Amino acid sequence: KAGVTQTPRYLIKTRGQQVTLSCSPISGHRSVSWYQQTPGQGLQFLFEYFSETQRNKGNFPGRFSGRQFSNSRSEMNVSTLELGDSALYLCASSSLAGTTYEQYFGPGTRLTVT
Amino acid sequence: GENVEQHPSTLSVQEGDSAVIKCTYSDSASNYFPWYKQELGKRPQLIIDIRSNVGEKKDQRIAVTLNKTAKHFSLHITETQPEDSAVYFCAAPSAAGNKLTFGGGTRVLVKP
Repeated sequence: KAGVTQTPRYLIKTRGQQVTLSCSPISGHRSVSWYQQTPGQGLQFLFEYFSETQRNKGNFPGRFSGRQFSNSRSEMNVSTLELGDSALYLCASSSLAGTTYEQYFGPGTRLTVT
Repeated sequence: GENVEQHPSTLSVQEGDSAVIKCTYSDSASNYFPWYKQELGKRPQLIIDIRSNVGEKKDQRIAVTLNKTAKHFSLHITETQPEDSAVYFCAAPSAAGNKLTFGGGTRVLVKP
Protein backbone atom coordinates (compact mmCIF):
# COMPACT_ATOMS: atom_id res chain seq x y z
CA LYS A 1 0.00 0.00 0.00
CA ALA A 2 1.13 3.51 -0.68
CA GLY A 3 1.92 5.56 2.37
CA VAL A 4 0.46 8.83 3.53
CA THR A 5 1.14 11.66 1.10
CA GLN A 6 1.08 15.39 1.65
CA THR A 7 1.17 18.29 -0.76
CA PRO A 8 2.83 20.61 -1.17
CA ARG A 9 6.07 19.61 0.56
CA TYR A 10 7.33 23.16 0.92
CA LEU A 11 5.53 26.46 1.02
CA ILE A 12 6.58 30.06 1.57
CA LYS A 13 3.88 32.56 2.42
CA THR A 14 3.68 36.13 3.63
CA ARG A 15 2.07 37.28 6.86
CA GLY A 16 -1.64 37.84 6.45
CA GLN A 17 -2.05 35.33 3.64
CA GLN A 18 -3.87 32.05 3.93
CA VAL A 19 -2.72 28.56 3.03
CA THR A 20 -4.28 25.18 2.31
CA LEU A 21 -2.43 21.93 2.87
CA SER A 22 -3.55 18.56 1.62
CA CYS A 23 -3.21 15.03 2.98
CA SER A 24 -4.07 11.71 1.36
CA PRO A 25 -4.25 8.85 3.87
CA ILE A 26 -3.28 5.25 3.37
CA SER A 27 -5.91 3.48 1.29
CA GLY A 28 -8.69 2.22 3.56
CA HIS A 29 -7.80 4.51 6.45
CA ARG A 30 -10.67 6.75 7.48
CA SER A 31 -9.10 8.77 10.27
CA VAL A 32 -6.78 11.68 9.53
CA SER A 33 -5.07 13.68 12.26
CA TRP A 34 -3.04 16.85 11.85
CA TYR A 35 -0.06 17.92 13.95
CA GLN A 36 2.17 20.95 14.06
CA GLN A 37 5.86 20.38 14.73
CA THR A 38 8.14 23.20 15.82
CA PRO A 39 11.53 23.14 17.56
CA GLY A 40 10.13 25.00 20.55
CA GLN A 41 6.74 23.33 21.04
CA GLY A 42 7.41 19.86 19.69
CA LEU A 43 4.56 17.88 18.16
CA GLN A 44 1.18 19.37 18.91
CA PHE A 45 -2.21 17.98 17.92
CA LEU A 46 -4.37 20.23 15.75
CA PHE A 47 -7.45 18.15 14.93
CA GLU A 48 -8.70 14.77 13.81
CA TYR A 49 -11.25 13.90 11.16
CA PHE A 50 -13.13 10.68 10.77
CA SER A 51 -15.80 10.06 8.16
CA GLU A 52 -15.84 13.75 7.22
CA THR A 53 -16.50 14.82 10.84
CA GLN A 54 -14.10 16.57 13.18
CA ARG A 55 -13.79 14.19 16.10
CA ASN A 56 -11.13 15.90 18.21
CA LYS A 57 -9.62 19.36 18.34
CA GLY A 58 -6.44 20.69 19.91
CA ASN A 59 -5.75 24.07 21.46
CA PHE A 60 -5.18 26.15 18.38
CA PRO A 61 -6.93 29.39 17.37
CA GLY A 62 -9.84 29.40 14.97
CA ARG A 63 -7.51 30.48 12.16
CA PHE A 64 -6.66 26.80 11.89
CA SER A 65 -9.40 24.75 10.30
CA GLY A 66 -9.76 21.55 8.39
CA ARG A 67 -12.07 19.29 6.53
CA GLN A 68 -12.27 15.77 5.21
CA PHE A 69 -13.75 14.58 1.97
CA SER A 70 -15.74 11.44 1.26
CA ASN A 71 -12.60 9.71 -0.07
CA SER A 72 -10.90 10.39 3.32
CA ARG A 73 -8.50 12.97 1.88
CA SER A 74 -8.15 15.90 4.22
CA GLU A 75 -7.18 19.51 3.96
CA MET A 76 -6.19 22.00 6.59
CA ASN A 77 -6.38 25.74 6.17
CA VAL A 78 -4.60 28.48 8.04
CA SER A 79 -5.93 31.98 7.55
CA THR A 80 -4.26 35.29 8.35
CA LEU A 81 -0.84 33.72 8.65
CA GLU A 82 1.50 34.81 11.43
CA LEU A 83 5.27 34.39 11.68
CA GLY A 84 4.71 31.89 14.48
CA ASP A 85 2.82 29.60 12.13
CA SER A 86 6.11 28.62 10.49
CA ALA A 87 6.37 24.91 11.17
CA LEU A 88 6.30 21.43 9.77
CA TYR A 89 2.68 20.32 9.40
CA LEU A 90 2.25 16.59 9.60
CA CYS A 91 -0.80 14.52 8.96
CA ALA A 92 -1.26 10.96 10.15
CA SER A 93 -3.74 8.34 9.07
CA SER A 94 -5.22 5.54 11.10
CA SER A 95 -7.39 2.59 10.24
CA LEU A 96 -9.62 1.67 13.14
CA ALA A 97 -12.74 3.59 14.02
CA GLY A 98 -13.76 4.37 17.58
CA THR A 99 -10.52 3.35 19.22
CA THR A 100 -6.98 4.58 19.41
CA TYR A 101 -4.86 2.79 16.92
CA GLU A 102 -1.60 3.05 15.03
CA GLN A 103 -1.05 6.36 13.30
CA TYR A 104 1.21 6.63 10.27
CA PHE A 105 2.65 9.97 9.36
CA GLY A 106 3.07 11.65 6.02
CA PRO A 107 6.29 13.44 5.06
CA GLY A 108 4.91 16.80 6.14
CA THR A 109 4.55 20.23 4.61
CA ARG A 110 7.23 22.71 5.63
CA LEU A 111 5.51 26.12 5.88
CA THR A 112 7.62 29.26 6.14
CA VAL A 113 5.88 32.54 6.86
CA THR A 114 7.86 35.69 6.09
CA GLY B 1 -6.21 16.50 29.28
CA GLU B 2 -3.26 14.17 28.91
CA ASN B 3 0.21 15.38 29.86
CA VAL B 4 3.29 13.43 28.74
CA GLU B 5 6.76 14.06 30.15
CA GLN B 6 9.81 12.53 28.45
CA HIS B 7 13.36 12.17 29.78
CA PRO B 8 16.14 12.68 28.99
CA SER B 9 15.98 15.32 26.29
CA THR B 10 19.36 14.23 24.90
CA LEU B 11 21.19 10.94 25.22
CA SER B 12 24.65 10.10 23.97
CA VAL B 13 25.73 6.45 24.01
CA GLN B 14 28.65 4.44 22.70
CA GLU B 15 27.88 2.03 19.89
CA GLY B 16 26.92 -1.32 21.36
CA ASP B 17 25.65 0.13 24.63
CA SER B 18 21.99 0.30 25.65
CA ALA B 19 19.75 3.37 25.63
CA VAL B 20 16.72 3.92 27.81
CA ILE B 21 14.12 6.66 27.43
CA LYS B 22 11.37 7.18 29.99
CA CYS B 23 7.95 8.78 29.74
CA THR B 24 5.26 9.50 32.28
CA TYR B 25 1.62 10.21 31.52
CA SER B 26 -1.18 11.73 33.55
CA ASP B 27 -4.45 10.19 32.29
CA SER B 28 -5.01 6.83 33.97
CA ALA B 29 -7.55 5.98 31.24
CA SER B 30 -4.85 5.98 28.55
CA ASN B 31 -4.54 2.52 27.03
CA TYR B 32 -2.14 2.81 24.10
CA PHE B 33 1.47 3.98 24.09
CA PRO B 34 3.37 4.34 20.81
CA TRP B 35 6.98 5.27 20.21
CA TYR B 36 8.12 7.14 17.12
CA LYS B 37 11.58 7.59 15.64
CA GLN B 38 12.26 10.69 13.57
CA GLU B 39 15.46 10.94 11.60
CA LEU B 40 16.66 14.32 10.44
CA GLY B 41 14.41 15.70 7.73
CA LYS B 42 12.10 12.71 7.76
CA ARG B 43 8.66 11.87 9.03
CA PRO B 44 8.08 10.31 12.48
CA GLN B 45 8.03 6.55 12.06
CA LEU B 46 6.12 4.24 14.38
CA ILE B 47 8.68 1.76 15.74
CA ILE B 48 6.85 0.00 18.53
CA ASP B 49 3.74 0.38 20.65
CA ILE B 50 2.19 -1.24 23.70
CA ARG B 51 -1.34 -1.52 24.97
CA SER B 52 -2.35 -1.37 28.60
CA ASN B 53 -3.13 -5.07 28.87
CA VAL B 54 0.56 -6.06 28.61
CA GLY B 55 3.61 -5.06 30.60
CA GLU B 56 6.35 -5.54 28.02
CA LYS B 57 6.77 -5.91 24.28
CA LYS B 58 9.90 -6.66 22.29
CA ASP B 59 10.85 -6.34 18.66
CA GLN B 60 14.44 -7.35 17.93
CA ARG B 61 16.68 -4.76 19.61
CA ILE B 62 13.91 -2.54 20.92
CA ALA B 63 11.52 -3.13 23.78
CA VAL B 64 8.92 -1.14 25.60
CA THR B 65 7.81 -1.62 29.21
CA LEU B 66 4.68 -0.23 30.83
CA ASN B 67 3.92 0.36 34.49
CA LYS B 68 0.25 1.33 34.70
CA THR B 69 0.32 1.83 38.45
CA ALA B 70 3.11 4.37 38.26
CA LYS B 71 1.85 5.69 34.91
CA HIS B 72 5.15 5.44 33.12
CA PHE B 73 6.53 3.58 30.14
CA SER B 74 10.02 3.21 28.75
CA LEU B 75 11.80 2.47 25.50
CA HIS B 76 14.87 0.26 25.63
CA ILE B 77 17.30 -0.03 22.73
CA THR B 78 19.99 -2.67 23.10
CA GLU B 79 23.22 -3.04 21.13
CA THR B 80 22.85 0.45 19.73
CA GLN B 81 24.10 1.19 16.23
CA PRO B 82 24.85 4.50 14.48
CA GLU B 83 21.59 4.21 12.53
CA ASP B 84 19.71 4.39 15.84
CA SER B 85 20.73 8.06 16.03
CA ALA B 86 17.49 10.05 15.78
CA VAL B 87 14.89 11.84 17.85
CA TYR B 88 12.52 9.51 19.66
CA PHE B 89 9.02 10.53 20.76
CA CYS B 90 6.67 8.80 23.14
CA ALA B 91 2.94 9.49 23.06
CA ALA B 92 -0.29 8.74 24.85
CA PRO B 93 -3.89 9.21 23.75
CA SER B 94 -6.22 11.85 25.16
CA ALA B 95 -9.86 10.93 25.53
CA ALA B 96 -11.45 8.88 22.80
CA GLY B 97 -10.25 8.79 19.26
CA ASN B 98 -6.85 9.41 17.82
CA LYS B 99 -5.68 12.51 19.65
CA LEU B 100 -2.10 11.75 20.65
CA THR B 101 -0.19 13.87 23.12
CA PHE B 102 3.55 13.64 22.50
CA GLY B 103 6.47 13.88 24.86
CA GLY B 104 9.08 16.52 24.14
CA GLY B 105 11.39 14.09 22.36
CA THR B 106 14.79 12.58 23.10
CA ARG B 107 17.69 13.20 20.76
CA VAL B 108 19.78 10.03 20.74
CA LEU B 109 23.33 10.10 19.43
CA VAL B 110 25.15 6.81 18.99
CA LYS B 111 28.89 7.35 18.78
CA PRO B 112 30.86 4.82 16.74
